[in-house]
Amino acid sequence: GQNIDQPTEMTATEGAIVQINCTYQTSGFNGLFWYQQHAGEAPTFLSYNVLDGLEEKGRFSSFLSRSKGYSYLLLKELQMKDSASYLCAVRGPGVRIGSYIPTFGRGTSLIVHP
Amino acid sequence: GAGVSQSPRYKVAKRGQDVALRCDPISGHVSLFWYQQALGQGPEFLTYFQNEAQLDKSGLPSDRFFAERPEGSVSTLKIQRTQQEDSAVYLCASSSDRGALYYTFGSGTRLTVV
Repeated sequence: GQNIDQPTEMTATEGAIVQINCTYQTSGFNGLFWYQQHAGEAPTFLSYNVLDGLEEKGRFSSFLSRSKGYSYLLLKELQMKDSASYLCAVRGPGVRIGSYIPTFGRGTSLIVHP
Repeated sequence: GAGVSQSPRYKVAKRGQDVALRCDPISGHVSLFWYQQALGQGPEFLTYFQNEAQLDKSGLPSDRFFAERPEGSVSTLKIQRTQQEDSAVYLCASSSDRGALYYTFGSGTRLTVV
């Protein structure tokens, strides 16, 4: 199975940079995802990492180190609308051979204040 | 369709009542997942379909929970004899294949058992 750990809550100032960490333990690794979820809404896809290194997409970047079981999501030039929950998910093997299941962490609630 | 559609959006059930939650995935998406999300938590895996085959149901919390996807498209999650602890948001996600680079979520059904 998978064990995923991320901070419960973080606060940051508008215009600043924030890094949300995620550590994981898994019996098999097939990719790591970051999702954003505003209250009462569906999670929306932000990034996918399967190889070590940094993936940059606009204001958001995601880093992965498979040997350390570690990822982070970097948000630059924070805006008020970035206040949301950020979910780290690790895809690992399911009970049936050949199936892969994303397992989510509890999410990090980010509060951006003026 | 353009996105994943779930219905109803909200459901209030009396304890002991049976409920059925519907998910319409993106047309042509092979993989379909059901998750349960309690308030302030991340989505917890319930079950996974590849086409019409239910390949993993290890996350279903009890035998009161049952899911089906008879024609490999629309899926229904049924909960029998609902209990208060079943109150949560039930999310459906679909992807084009098992190794997809992202998953698309529906807006969820918020179930409240009174």
